[in-house]
Amino acid sequence: KAGVTQTPRYLIKTRGQQVTLSCSPISGHRSVSWYQQTPGQGLQFLFEYFSETQRNKGNFPGRFSGRQFSNSRSEMNVSTLELGDSALYLCASSLGRIRARETQYFGPGTRLLVL
Amino acid sequence: LAKTTQPISMDSYEGQEVNITCSHNNIATNDYITWYQQFPSQGPRFIIQGYKTKVTNEVASLFIPADRKSSTLSLPRVSLSDTAVYYCLVGDPSGGGADGLTFGKGTHLIIQP
Repeated sequence: KAGVTQTPRYLIKTRGQQVTLSCSPISGHRSVSWYQQTPGQGLQFLFEYFSETQRNKGNFPGRFSGRQFSNSRSEMNVSTLELGDSALYLCASSLGRIRARETQYFGPGTRLLVL
Repeated sequence: LAKTTQPISMDSYEGQEVNITCSHNNIATNDYITWYQQFPSQGPRFIIQGYKTKVTNEVASLFIPADRKSSTLSLPRVSLSDTAVYYCLVGDPSGGGADGLTFGKGTHLIIQP
């Protein structure tokens, strides 16, 4: 079974631009979560989508948004990019709603560099 | 949301057993303890999960004392490829919020020859 895939793998943008990242979950998984990872803050939860609805949201500004399609694929959008948005963005999928007991399967991530 | 505390880094040598302890003093009755492993430029990978006592799989063992205020991930006979960051997560399987999704800074384990 194919794992979680993320595109693109690398991205360079400039301040003020916007970016859209894509995530395809493992077949049959209905929950997709997004995380931001930086050296200073570690791995931080952005949001979770399940059945095309945002279920949970971490402590990030409204510039960070996402959506999920009927085939469970998800996109994450960041508008008005700031230098501090440079990070590795990870997508994780799970069978059901994410819980501590639900195993999450992570993709390889998209490394975003904002200049 | 139970906060976890882990050592920032640990060193060991190939062939040794490595134990990484995580403190979670405010763990709730319904919380499970989960450990993930992350290599550079990759997403975290599930290692093991438990609720109480001891859990063992082909990769590691997880020891949880009776009070559940801490847990210890045990990696037997480590190799260089076990060099990674290890995250301890604690959360409620019935919660609807972001419980259990806080990874923290993790423990950077470095294995030397």
